[in-house]
Amino acid sequence: EAGVTQSPTHLIKTRGQQATLRCSPISGHTSVYWYQQALGLGLQFLLWYDEGEERNRGNFPPRFSGRQFPNYSSELNVNALELEDSALYLCASSLGQGMVYEQYFGPGTRLTVT
Amino acid sequence: AQKVTQAQTEISVVEKEDVTLDCVYETRDTTYYLFWYKQPPSGELVFLIRRNSFDEQNEISGRYSWNFQKSTSSFNFTITASQVVDSAVYFCALSEAVNRDDKIIFGKGTRLHILP
Repeated sequence: EAGVTQSPTHLIKTRGQQATLRCSPISGHTSVYWYQQALGLGLQFLLWYDEGEERNRGNFPPRFSGRQFPNYSSELNVNALELEDSALYLCASSLGQGMVYEQYFGPGTRLTVT
Repeated sequence: AQKVTQAQTEISVVEKEDVTLDCVYETRDTTYYLFWYKQPPSGELVFLIRRNSFDEQNEISGRYSWNFQKSTSSFNFTITASQVVDSAVYFCALSEAVNRDDKIIFGKGTRLHILP
């Protein structure tokens, strides 16, 4: 069974640009979560999508947004990039709906903003 | 408010030694879930264990064991007879479902070095 996949592996953008990151969950999983792992800040919850809707978001500004498609894949958009957005962005999926269930993570997209 | 503290930022032990990773949490909820995840150098977090607040039984899985103590709000993780492949960053996490407004918070992680 294929795990969670993410693309691209690496992304380099300049300040002010937009970045789009993609995630495909494990087959059968409907919930998708996004996390930011910045150096020194640990893992921070960004967004939770389930059945095509945004269910919850962490303490991030509105320029972090995303969506979930009918096939449950998801994309994360970061607008007006700032230098501090440089981080590893991890996507996860779960069989159960919600963060009380175990999550299965993808390899991440490393975003570098210059 | 939720809080997860992993006081050990970095630990180094020699292979075959036992090592315990500490996790202390804070929550006002009576129903919550605790997790441990492993992040090897490849970057992909790997789920290790999930425990709900009503189940205080300790768990053993091979060389891994977990000690959940509500009285001290701790959920510690022990690796017995450590191996080089255990080298990774280990995260403890706390999740609550408050009126379906799920929240999760991760500790800052403990970087474990197993020296050959």
